[in-house]
Amino acid sequence: AQSVTQLGSHVSVSEGALVLLRCNYSSSVPPYLFWYVQYPNQGLQLLLKYTTGATLVKGINGFEAEFKKSETSFHLTKPSAHMSDAAEYFCAVSQPQGAQKLVFGQGTRLTINP
Amino acid sequence: SQTIHQWPATLVQPVGSPLSLECTVEGTSNPNLYWYRQAAGRGLQLLFYSVGIGQISSEVPQNLSASRPQDRQFILSSKKLLLSDSGFYLCAWSGGGLSYEQFFGPGTRLTVL
Repeated sequence: AQSVTQLGSHVSVSEGALVLLRCNYSSSVPPYLFWYVQYPNQGLQLLLKYTTGATLVKGINGFEAEFKKSETSFHLTKPSAHMSDAAEYFCAVSQPQGAQKLVFGQGTRLTINP
Repeated sequence: SQTIHQWPATLVQPVGSPLSLECTVEGTSNPNLYWYRQAAGRGLQLLFYSVGIGQISSEVPQNLSASRPQDRQFILSSKKLLLSDSGFYLCAWSGGGLSYEQFFGPGTRLTVL
């Protein structure tokens, strides 16, 4: 069975500082990995995804993530935080077959301090 | 382009009343469809998914049911709501094939009193 662990339910950084949100996964087959962002009372928006190929993937809003198979990790980073980055972030894993169900982590709430 | 709609946006219902939440997708055909629930301060729990008309798979036993009467319509229902049914309900779709990402609707906030 697949699972996702997001280390840190709350992360707080200063505006302009590096953002690092951690995600580790467990999967018996090569995974497909996703990061989503959720603003209050809204649906989830896809930030980026890894399926195959280049392990460093770039997404929207300046975010990027690196797939590290040896560490079973897919951490999300952004070099310089902006106030508008304050939101809930979810890491998810999917099997590349069947109904393409996603298994989500518990989420990390990112707060940006001015 | 594809869009996904959910309604209503918010709903307040008494315990024991019925429920019907609707989700429709535009701009695609034969999508995979999903219903999630997000309880306060928690992650997303997959409730149901469907890979075609009339095909519903349930992920967890519960007080809810789902139906897919048309290709791009997905309905979440309950005959009698419980307090524990309160939460934020999200519908999502994926294109199947090599399109593995899911696209989410705006959600419905359900409060059961």
